[in-house]
Amino acid sequence: DTEVTQTPKHLVMGMTNKKSLKCEQHMGHRAMYWYKQKAKKPPELMFVYSYEKLSINESVPSRFSPECPNSSLLNLHLHALQPEDSALYLCASSPTSGVLYEQYFGPGTRLTVT
Amino acid sequence: GESVGLHLPTLSVQEGDNSIINCAYSNSASDYFIWYKQESGKGPQFIIDIRSNMDKRQGQRVTVLLNKTVKHLSLQIAATQPGDSAVYFCAENMVDSWGKLQFGAGTQVVVTP
Repeated sequence: DTEVTQTPKHLVMGMTNKKSLKCEQHMGHRAMYWYKQKAKKPPELMFVYSYEKLSINESVPSRFSPECPNSSLLNLHLHALQPEDSALYLCASSPTSGVLYEQYFGPGTRLTVT
Repeated sequence: GESVGLHLPTLSVQEGDNSIINCAYSNSASDYFIWYKQESGKGPQFIIDIRSNMDKRQGQRVTVLLNKTVKHLSLQIAATQPGDSAVYFCAENMVDSWGKLQFGAGTQVVVTP
C-alpha cells in the first residue's frame, strides 16, 4: 500500500467553526507533513512530525493545531479560520524526515472558509 | 485574497514531441532534488529524483539533469502524451533540513494533439 489518504475531500466552514482534517498512511513511514497550497502556487510547508513528535512548525498561526496520535495518523485541527485560509491542504509522508527521501502526497482537502 | 491574473509559466507541447522543463534552485547546499507532477484536483505525484553527486538520471520516458555550477535542474519528457498535461514542480531538500522541501514556482505543461 503506497497511498496517503485524506478526509474529507472538500470542507466548507464558517469562521467560528471547529473542524479537523485527517490523514492516514500505512507504509510504515515515520515522518508526516502538512502543506498548504493556494491556487497556481507551490505547496508551502506548515508542519513536520518525526516519530510522532512535532519537529518543524513554519510559524503557522495558532488557529491551526496539528496532532499525531500514532505513526499512521495525522490530524489538523482548525478553529476560527479566516477566508484567506481557504486553500488545498496536503498531507505527505516519508520513511524518515532526513534527506534523500521522497515525500508521498495525499490528494488533499479543499477547504473553503466563509 | 489571491492576485487577479496570477498565472503559471506555461509550456505548450505537441503530442509526440519532447518536453524540457527548467528549474533554477535557490540553495547551493541542497543535496537532493525531486520532480513532482500535479494534475488538476490531485496531490503532487513523484516523478524522479536526483542526488547532488549525480548530474543525470533517467527513468521511464523522463530524464533529470542537474547543473550545480549554475544551480539549474531540468526535466526532459520524451514523446509527450496527453496524460503528461499537468503542473510540474521541482523541489530541493537541503542538508540538515529535516525533510523540509522547498518547491519551485511550477510550470504548466499543455499537450496539444
